[in-house]
Amino acid sequence: DTGVSQNPRHKITKRGQNVTFRCDPISEHNRLYWYRQTLGQGPEFLTYFQNEAQLEKSRLLSDRFSAERPKGSFSTLEIQRTEQGDSAMYLCASSPPPDGYTFGSGTRLTVV
Amino acid sequence: GNSVTQMEGPVTLSEEAFLTINCTYTATGYPSLFWYVQYPGEGLQLLLKATKADDKGSNKGFEATYRKETTSFHLEKGSVQVSDSAVYFCARGTSGGSYIPTFGRGTSLIVHP
Repeated sequence: DTGVSQNPRHKITKRGQNVTFRCDPISEHNRLYWYRQTLGQGPEFLTYFQNEAQLEKSRLLSDRFSAERPKGSFSTLEIQRTEQGDSAMYLCASSPPPDGYTFGSGTRLTVV
Repeated sequence: GNSVTQMEGPVTLSEEAFLTINCTYTATGYPSLFWYVQYPGEGLQLLLKATKADDKGSNKGFEATYRKETTSFHLEKGSVQVSDSAVYFCARGTSGGSYIPTFGRGTSLIVHP
């Protein structure tokens, strides 16, 4: 296991289309986080899972966004009806208890 | 509230200069503290961490000391290299029952030859 893997690395989509990103965490990590990062900003929290349970969601996560972690392993983040404001880097991180966060390389989304 | 504040960049230095990037935090209790580095087009990489007061994290010549009395975790390096040019993020770990890490806005470091 070499770390947190995110796919795809880049996604260009037309406004109004749906997109889905995948994150494969480090296998023994029980917590998984999604963050969004725009240019010149730090990562902004979107949501996190402990095992398969989604425990918290940010108000940044509008009803067009949904995340799942069905078996407590990989996670998907779906954005429906994309808007230009959704263009950002989407970062996934996983964490063992009690602390420490390993990030993937991110998925850069461009909505045109 | 719980937050992390970093000095604004960019910080521009000549090679071999001394680096300080300030970071202060607010939190309930004594969370773990982290510095992450991000190179262009990449995700965040853990640079160093400290898990309790007075701990010093260190890696690749960078150091930061967990100062409870000033709620600070300033990043330092004695002699920077061009290859250190990147964006540096200070982060606070779990605090007050929340398992959500909080990141600062990042400080861009530019090192000239």
